[in-house]
Amino acid sequence: QQPVQSPQAVILREGEDAVINCSSSKALYSVHWYRQKHGEAPVFLMILLKGGEQMRHEKISASFNEKKQQSSLYLTASQLSYSGTYFCGTVDTGNQFYFGTGTSLTVIP
Amino acid sequence: GAVVSQHPSRVICKSGTSVKIECRSLDFQATTMFWYRQFPKQSLMLMATSNEGSKATYEQGVEKDKFLINHASLTLSTLTVTSAHPEDSSFYICSARDSLSGVDSNQPQHFGDGTRLSIL
Repeated sequence: QQPVQSPQAVILREGEDAVINCSSSKALYSVHWYRQKHGEAPVFLMILLKGGEQMRHEKISASFNEKKQQSSLYLTASQLSYSGTYFCGTVDTGNQFYFGTGTSLTVIP
Repeated sequence: GAVVSQHPSRVICKSGTSVKIECRSLDFQATTMFWYRQFPKQSLMLMATSNEGSKATYEQGVEKDKFLINHASLTLSTLTVTSAHPEDSSFYICSARDSLSGVDSNQPQHFGDGTRLSIL
């Protein structure tokens, strides 16, 4: 039931792009994306709804493929502040919410 | 923006002690709050869903007598770890959704800052 994210970890140089994928085994109603810095609580980035548009938060955007039960997070021209662990959160058609396995992102100068 | 206050932020206590953690939604109402547990370098695992005015819903494998949840008002939920032991040491995080903003699944979860519990 827990969504699986890939990659598990990624290291980028400042200015590079990255894609984080989230895949669920269940039919989804929505997908949430959060970022967590070490020792802190997760911070909400965006929600993608079934039938909705691709969303954007600053230079971070995301898409949701309902048929494939997948979502992808796109980080463009990464900044040092993007470092952290990214979690997707999926809401299935039974209204159950589950956090994904997480992707650790490190941006270096 | 929606703010969730959680405290204490850090607790260190002896084995056998009971520890109470509070989670408050400061500027919105939350009929439902969520309690998570997170081990180092792992994802957040849902422990229970706290429902205002009714019993909490616990996830499989979570002992309801060990982790007591009370949601007495629309802005406050508490988690009490009873007779805590070293294996209960972890990072506990609460979250809440704004009950008045529309369909639940469309609403983001707003997190407290977490409580780091260390049992000696």
